[in-house]
Amino acid sequence: GNSVTQMEGPVTLSEEAFLTINCTYTATGYPSLFWYVQYPGEGLQLLLKATKADDKGSNKGFEATYRKETTSFHLEKGSVQVSDSAVYFCALSDGGNAGNMLTFGGGTRLMVKP
Amino acid sequence: GAVVSQHPSWVICKSGTSVKIECRSLDFQATTMFWYRQFPKQSLMLMATSNEGSKATYEQGVEKDKFLINHASLTLSTLTVTSAHPEDSSFYICSAAFRDTQYFGPGTRLTVL
Repeated sequence: GNSVTQMEGPVTLSEEAFLTINCTYTATGYPSLFWYVQYPGEGLQLLLKATKADDKGSNKGFEATYRKETTSFHLEKGSVQVSDSAVYFCALSDGGNAGNMLTFGGGTRLMVKP
Repeated sequence: GAVVSQHPSWVICKSGTSVKIECRSLDFQATTMFWYRQFPKQSLMLMATSNEGSKATYEQGVEKDKFLINHASLTLSTLTVTSAHPEDSSFYICSAAFRDTQYFGPGTRLTVL
């Protein structure tokens, strides 16, 4: 079956530090890959996505590249801000149909200190 | 675009009562919606897949008679927690499928006393 593995948190960084949150996956076929962000007490917001190998998703300074050879989709940001403090979820969808189930990683909590 | 709302955002009820949570896609039509449950500091657990005009598909271990799902229109799905008990207290989140992505609602925090 499908699975997503994320690095365990919390990840604590100082403002303006470089961020990497690792995500690897196991899936049959050609999944679409997503990063969602959850701020305290809220639902999930789509941060970025990639639908095929070598695609790079990017948004708000975050980016992730779909690496089929290493089955990875690591999230990066060059300079984090306090407002980036949240929980980040990596997820995959088996196929391009949004009606397909999402398989989530366990989430990684990011804490950015001023 | 692709905004999903939930109502209410939080609810407190007495044990034994039923609670209805609404999930609406505001600016798109969604033939498929999903209901998740999230425990503190944990990932999301899929409860069921809701398809407009047909019965919901429940995940293993989720009681269909306790968590009633109705997807009456292309923009509305409801989750009713029947005869709620304290162990049903949780954060419930819905999502709606649009093109190749799921968009999530803001969540509903249910507390059963």
